[in-house]
Amino acid sequence: EADIYQTPRYLVIGTGKKITLECSQTMGHDKMYWYQQDPGMELHLIHYSYGVNSTEKGDLSSESTVSRIRTEHFPLTLESARPSHTSQYLCASSDLQGQQPDEQYFGPGTRLTVT
Amino acid sequence: GNSVTQMEGPVTLSEEAFLTINCTYTATGYPSLFWYVQYPGEGLQLLLKATKADDKGSNKGFEATYRKETTSFHLEKGSVQVSDSAVYFCALSDLDSSYKLIFGSGTRLLVRP
Repeated sequence: EADIYQTPRYLVIGTGKKITLECSQTMGHDKMYWYQQDPGMELHLIHYSYGVNSTEKGDLSSESTVSRIRTEHFPLTLESARPSHTSQYLCASSDLQGQQPDEQYFGPGTRLTVT
Repeated sequence: GNSVTQMEGPVTLSEEAFLTINCTYTATGYPSLFWYVQYPGEGLQLLLKATKADDKGSNKGFEATYRKETTSFHLEKGSVQVSDSAVYFCALSDLDSSYKLIFGSGTRLLVRP
């Protein structure tokens, strides 16, 4: 059973608001990821981290920012939300096993709607 | 660069029908291959994986065989259930992608009673 949590599950906010999407995992995993999932289901990696104080941008350009101050916590922030940010955001984590590919565990997602 | 191509959906089947969802990949190295499933309103869960050629991954009645000669990893199930209705993602991971997952575009499966 994967222990990765995302809050809130659903969020409706107005344009221009600052928001933070929370993601926490209790598995002690080094690697964490944020994906954006569009209505067509396709997943796009927007941020990832290989450990504390390590963050990298993913394959899809995003106006969001992330931080990794603690191993278990990887929040995503939008300084000024816009309707184009409306999407499903999925957080994931995996273990760093000698650089070998490992299973990613996903949280339940946050569905964000910006009006 | 590395990529994954999977068949477009939706795939609509009757209960107990045979399922195949095609997945092919392009990779310069020797990737590991995965199938993830996303049930409505949830995140993704790993369904099965294979880490080298000719490996067969299996779980919950689903199977997929890593075919290097055809660069394929097709997902199969002999008899689907209504509860299998979900979106299925094929993915790969290898050194060239820094072990990040590269996903296909997803295939929606709808199983009717």
